[in-house]
Amino acid sequence: DAGITQSPRHKVTETGTPVTLRCHQTENHRYMYWYRQDPGHGLRLIHYSYGVKDTDKGEVSDGYSVSRSKTEDFLLTLESATSSQTSVYFCAIQPDTNTEAFFGQGTRLTVV
Amino acid sequence: GENVEQHPSTLSVQEGDSAVIKCTYSDSASNYFPWYKQELGKRPQLIIDIRSNVGEKKDQRIAVTLNKTAKHFSLHITETQPEDSAVYFCAAGYNNNDMRFGAGTRLTVKP
Repeated sequence: DAGITQSPRHKVTETGTPVTLRCHQTENHRYMYWYRQDPGHGLRLIHYSYGVKDTDKGEVSDGYSVSRSKTEDFLLTLESATSSQTSVYFCAIQPDTNTEAFFGQGTRLTVV
Repeated sequence: GENVEQHPSTLSVQEGDSAVIKCTYSDSASNYFPWYKQELGKRPQLIIDIRSNVGEKKDQRIAVTLNKTAKHFSLHITETQPEDSAVYFCAAGYNNNDMRFGAGTRLTVKP
């Protein structure tokens, strides 16, 4: 498996609280992504990064922010969690565009 | 932005039969089309990909075909085995980071 780990793997949080998910890679890949996976929707891109401190929005970015202060770490923050953000979150890394993306193990987030 | 439609949403076949999953995309500029397999409780993993300068690509029992004119591409699995049971996702992208995924196809191979 590519050197990519997500933490935590599972989290239950209350509505209105902030939550931060972490993605860590040891591959020194330039591109990092956060997706959410929901039944019937496949994988939807939340935010991505194309370098340290370089990030951009994806298809479903509302309510999420990201930061990448080091090549190896990409953080996803839910500023004020809502029940609609209950989902499985996947981080992915990619050496270049139009190449294989390697996914982390996923984080199951439940907002109650 | 790009929009990817995937069909069918579920597919059940007998072991040894072939399975075909189809995807259409909306952006004619898209030039990269990967397929990912996700087993239950696991992460998605790439099984095959194709670029727009190629019409077909094979890897053992798996093949992907691309029709740029019609803007659709398909995954073909021959001689299916129970371990092929999983959810399969197609995706489309264009030299950028905003690759769009289809909603997925749950394939069940019955022994």
